[in-house]
Amino acid sequence: DAGVTQSPTHLIKTRGQQVTLRCSPKSGHDTVSWYQQALGQGPQFIFQYYEEEERQRGNFPDRFSGHQFPNYSSELNVNALLLGDSALYLCASSFIRTGGYNEQFFGPGTRLTVL
Amino acid sequence: QKEVEQNSGPLSVPEGAIASLNCTYSDRVSQSFFWYRQYSGKSPELIMSIYSNGDKEDGRFTAQLNKASQYVSLLIRDSQPSDSATYLCAGPDRGSTLGRLYFGRGTQLTVWP
Repeated sequence: DAGVTQSPTHLIKTRGQQVTLRCSPKSGHDTVSWYQQALGQGPQFIFQYYEEEERQRGNFPDRFSGHQFPNYSSELNVNALLLGDSALYLCASSFIRTGGYNEQFFGPGTRLTVL
Repeated sequence: QKEVEQNSGPLSVPEGAIASLNCTYSDRVSQSFFWYRQYSGKSPELIMSIYSNGDKEDGRFTAQLNKASQYVSLLIRDSQPSDSATYLCAGPDRGSTLGRLYFGRGTQLTVWP
């Protein structure tokens, strides 16, 4: 049973460029959440996709956008990269159950470095 | 107040000791909690989920949830050097039906032989 997968593993970009990160959820999961983790901090919620729609968004600018495909996989796009966007980007998948308590499982992450 | 606060650490314990990690949370957080373990350079791994008041045990790990005090803890018994990692607590947004998580900043645990 494949877990959550993410690509690429590492990425180096320069300021102003655009980046696309990809995520495939765990088998049987239908919801994908994206988090940003800066060094020494806990993950910060970016947004969450369910049924191909963005359902909730954290405190991130519009430069951060995403998409979910019919097969539940997802992309995170970041435009006009800033130095402060350097972080570990984590994708988490879950299965929506009535009543909540949706455990989220993380992929290996994409380490983005902006120069 | 941050939604989930995790202020203790770094924590250093000898092998075989009990390691105690804790978090407090605000009213914005729904009262179920998750503990993640994150090794250096790796992604968080879910190790415990607790949904009701009281204790939940899984092997050497015991999670405790006190809803009245808005406090959650993780005890690691018989700590091993392989337990050395950062431990993150996380709780869902009370207003989110899809379970957006608020994380603490993590507690770095070192278990020395």
